[in-house]
Amino acid sequence: KNEVEQSPQNLTAQEGEFITINCSYSVGISALHWLQQHPGGGIVSLFMLSSGKKKHGRLIATINIQEKHSSLHITASHPRDSAVYICAVIPSPNSGGGADGLTFGKGTHLIIQP
Amino acid sequence: KAGVTQTPRYLIKTRGQQVTLSCSPISGHRSVSWYQQTPGQGLQFLFEYFSETQRNKGNFPGRFSGRQFSNSRSEMNVSTLELGDSALYLCASSWGAPPVLKNTEAFFGQGTRLTVV
Repeated sequence: KNEVEQSPQNLTAQEGEFITINCSYSVGISALHWLQQHPGGGIVSLFMLSSGKKKHGRLIATINIQEKHSSLHITASHPRDSAVYICAVIPSPNSGGGADGLTFGKGTHLIIQP
Repeated sequence: KAGVTQTPRYLIKTRGQQVTLSCSPISGHRSVSWYQQTPGQGLQFLFEYFSETQRNKGNFPGRFSGRQFSNSRSEMNVSTLELGDSALYLCASSWGAPPVLKNTEAFFGQGTRLTVV
């Protein structure tokens, strides 16, 4: 069974700080997806990663396949970044899971104070 | 272009009833996936469809079912509702083949908030 752990669960920071959110998983994967959920429920897809690193604006996502770990970084954080960040892990077929085993982390609740 | 549209947005049903939720994907998207979100369990994968065929299915009882039509619109049905089925039900679509979240971009609807009383 694929276990997905996110840390921290809650994070409060000041505007401008560098933010790191972590996601660890227990099985081999074919992809990992970072999502952002704002109050009210709307979810936005941020990054899909299968290796390496991706950058979009102030957001950077990295993944280390060997260590089964991914991080989401926010540079120069802003109050509009306040949201819940969720990682979704898609197991690889030979890990015994397959896409049926798509598992989400519990989310990191981020608050950026002005 | 229009985003992913879910209807209805809010729904109140009584235990034992059944419910049908609808999801219209972005025009041109052929993959649709469904998720359940509750405060206790967080997000959980229900199932996903491509070309009118269920391609992947999460670990939910048979009371949860879905289908996809030739225009890629999808519906999910929950029969014999239980109090624990109260949740936000989300769908997402992508242009490429499933898994939806293995696509570079996946687009989510605003969800249907179902309350079972």
